[in-house]
Amino acid sequence: QKEVEQDPGPLSVPEGAIVSLNCTYSNSAFQYFMWYRQYSRKGPELLMYTYSSGNKEDGRFTAQVDKSSKYISLFIRDSQPSDSATYLCAMSGGNQGGKLIFGQGTELSVKP
Amino acid sequence: SAVISQKPSRDICQRGTSLTIQCQVDSQVTMMFWYRQQPGQSLTLIATANQGSEATYESGFVIDKFPISRPNLTFSTLTVSNMSPEDSSIYLCSVEILYEQYFGPGTRLTVT
Repeated sequence: QKEVEQDPGPLSVPEGAIVSLNCTYSNSAFQYFMWYRQYSRKGPELLMYTYSSGNKEDGRFTAQVDKSSKYISLFIRDSQPSDSATYLCAMSGGNQGGKLIFGQGTELSVKP
Repeated sequence: SAVISQKPSRDICQRGTSLTIQCQVDSQVTMMFWYRQQPGQSLTLIATANQGSEATYESGFVIDKFPISRPNLTFSTLTVSNMSPEDSSIYLCSVEILYEQYFGPGTRLTVT
């Protein structure tokens, strides 16, 4: 079993839709949770960073962490074609130090 | 955040040769990381490179194959030695700033 599971998709939605991206994990020591966006042939770009449980909102993006269920989500409201990218969840903590454990990434396509 | 550059951005190399990838950051950082992203896959940590100490390698990666230098707080190199087609991948450096990791644009390596 992988430490972090993420559905690779691809996920295709119409412009304006609400997108929900999710990851589950097995290591209860994880405390830091991140979402990265990666456009084709580019490096990952940090979108959201959350410490421990709770919600965090930034513009059209909301990150949720439920440590009791070992489940994290990223919601994108009013999705735009420019949101088309691969979204990677990542997490760290416990005896992992600064090492990030990544999910496989979900490929998202927002159709105009 | 940080501005991170990598050189070269891409290269095509012959089997058995070596390639050194450079990573430059626009600010002084303690922790730098090197990741590999194989085609269609997520990111896997190769090693952690802290200035003033030997790099720490993850399971499955060895210094003879991936020697790393970290001469100062803004620069690091990763060498991919004695390359084989299995080393074809994207290599990314990242830096940690206040628990957040930021990535460079990556070096796309093809080994023929």
